Amino acid sequence: VMTQSPATLSLSPGERATLSCRASQTVSSNYLSWYQQKPGQAPRLLLYGTSNRATGIPARFSGSGSGTDFTLTISSLQPEDFAVYYCQHNYNFSWTFGQGTKVEIK
Amino acid sequence: QLQLQESGPGLVRPSETLSLTCTVSGGSITSDNYYWGWIRQPPGRGLEWIGNVHYSGATYHNPSLKSRVTMSVDTSKKQFSLKLSSVTAADTAVYYCANYCSGDSCSSPNAFGIWGQGTMVSVSS
Repeated sequence: VMTQSPATLSLSPGERATLSCRASQTVSSNYLSWYQQKPGQAPRLLLYGTSNRATGIPARFSGSGSGTDFTLTISSLQPEDFAVYYCQHNYNFSWTFGQGTKVEIK
Repeated sequence: QLQLQESGPGLVRPSETLSLTCTVSGGSITSDNYYWGWIRQPPGRGLEWIGNVHYSGATYHNPSLKSRVTMSVDTSKKQFSLKLSSVTAADTAVYYCANYCSGDSCSSPNAFGIWGQGTMVSVSS
């Protein structure tokens, strides 16, 4: 089970966003990914292997963590970053998504 | 550039079987590194992994849905499919197909790097 917190994060443009993803057991950082989803759109891969940005993802998105605790950080929120973010892990051919964190405009 | 497109009925009757197909273009469906996935999202809710299928026929299921899910790959048509039996209103969702590339030879290894646009399926009489 992947548990994300907080459920909702209310911030202003330019602020720093810190999103948490906690696994119920130790997971490999190689298999931890983050996705962004905007209303009416399919999810988009942001980070893979905990900290590696997917093609075209801006440097303001970064990831860290190991073991059971992982973090997605957006250094300075841009208007297009307000969305829902999901972490995801694959363990032993079982794929799991967190329940999501909504980043909304304060 | 790999692209995916879901297709199938937008309305399914309760107790019947939901059938969806995902067509792959711009790349191979038979790469050993590729796992073809199905993910769904009920209205206003989060993402739920349904299962993955490999072109070899190997399948991997969400335990909560396993008894109702059948997945397969048709390499000649470059398509993979999902069947979900005995549907109820709780199966109403947007269904996405996605590509999971496993291994360091992938541009985005060990992640769902490519997604279809999604297709809404409603279960109603």
